[in-house]
Amino acid sequence: DIQMTQSPSSLSASVGDRVTITCRSSHNINNFLNWYQQRPGKAPKLLIHATSTLQSGVPSRFSGSGSGTDFTLTISSLQPEDFGTYYCQQNYNPDTLFTFGQGTKVEIK
Amino acid sequence: EVHLVESGGGLVKPGESLRLSCAASGFGFTPTWMTWVRQAPGKGLEWVARIKTSADGGTPDYAASVNGRFTMSRDDSRNMVSLQMNSLKADDSAVYYCSALGSVTLSSGWYIFNVYWGQGTLVTVSA
Repeated sequence: DIQMTQSPSSLSASVGDRVTITCRSSHNINNFLNWYQQRPGKAPKLLIHATSTLQSGVPSRFSGSGSGTDFTLTISSLQPEDFGTYYCQQNYNPDTLFTFGQGTKVEIK
Repeated sequence: EVHLVESGGGLVKPGESLRLSCAASGFGFTPTWMTWVRQAPGKGLEWVARIKTSADGGTPDYAASVNGRFTMSRDDSRNMVSLQMNSLKADDSAVYYCSALGSVTLSSGWYIFNVYWGQGTLVTVSA
């Protein structure tokens, strides 16, 4: 099984800050990596697929990068509505289940 | 507008069974792979099961933690998926989300992601 590890597990930042979340895969997954945002009490929301492609309607302050085993989600200028938990997910092999990272909780100072 | 509506959650005792259902509307259900994803209280997301389309064989796959106890099925005539959960354990307590998979095909590959989500249904396993 492919294991996904995110860091940090939580962070606190101010509005306007640049925020970076890292996701590491236990195997080379090329660029088969998705990112989700989950606000408290809500279902997850797809932000990015294929490492760097923003889902329709997602603000351009969100960006993704990486390849192989190391990936990054960046929020260029943190906004109040960006609080929540962010999850990475690998989708390398369609015939297996797609594992999530353990999540990174983002709090606004 | 897309809707995924889960039902069937509740409180059960260890060893008992429960059947979750998910009614889908607003998108092409028949050609869509469907999944169940769960989230234990205060924990992260866990893929539980995934079922392919009937055209792709309709094969379900399961997380190791539920394999042999859970069965996912689909009814394309009713745009519904179900999750039959047997021999429930306390560790199965979670919000269960029904989620539809979307995909794009690029020159570099076939990219799949959980694009639509229901609101979730809570399953509590406790004596």
